[in-house]
Amino acid sequence: DSGVTQTPKHLITATGQRVTLRCSPRSGDLSVYWYQQSLDQGLQFLIQYYNGEERAKGNILERFSAQQFPDLHSELNLSSLELGDSALYFCASSVGVREGEAFFGQGTRLTVV
Amino acid sequence: AQTVTQSQPEMSVQEAETVTLSCTYDTSESDYYLFWYKQPPSRQMILVIRQEAYKQQNATENRFSVNFQKAAKSFSLKISDSQLGDAAMYFCAYRSDLDQFYFGTGTSLTVIP
Repeated sequence: DSGVTQTPKHLITATGQRVTLRCSPRSGDLSVYWYQQSLDQGLQFLIQYYNGEERAKGNILERFSAQQFPDLHSELNLSSLELGDSALYFCASSVGVREGEAFFGQGTRLTVV
Repeated sequence: AQTVTQSQPEMSVQEAETVTLSCTYDTSESDYYLFWYKQPPSRQMILVIRQEAYKQQNATENRFSVNFQKAAKSFSLKISDSQLGDAAMYFCAYRSDLDQFYFGTGTSLTVIP
């Protein structure tokens, strides 16, 4: 158990809909990262938050948004969903002080039908 | 921007034999961290081993060891006495001074009984 909790584990929704993925980082970790992994693909970096502030943005679509709350949990909002958005979405956390590894949640498997 | 390259999309090894997975990276930073993550069929991302760039000694974790060549910007993973449970996708990752993680495209390892 990495200590990073993602909910839900599985999500099936229709095209055009909006969903929210939730992530609770490890206790004490200030950085949260979101990644998208399509089938048999690598990890695509979406966005990073540090202590409530956006720190870095990757290949995140305009239809997607995220935030980190004062209690450090984070949410990734995906709207106007398309079939191509079907993927495994990972949240990871780290201490955020230039050292240490990223700890990954189990991921949320999103299926858009 | 930092880049991480894994030039071997697929590798295979006989059970009990040794295999080496390659990784190179590009950076202008002097202080950073490198990691190998394993992603088994369950899709969970599991940390295998980490290496701090300022340490000359290669990291070792049981049957897993790295060959870190800082000048050559090379970071290979050696798996000794390969086991069936080692079959997975392996990702090389670089952590920058700005707390961002960059991942390679992965190497799929097959272990042959």
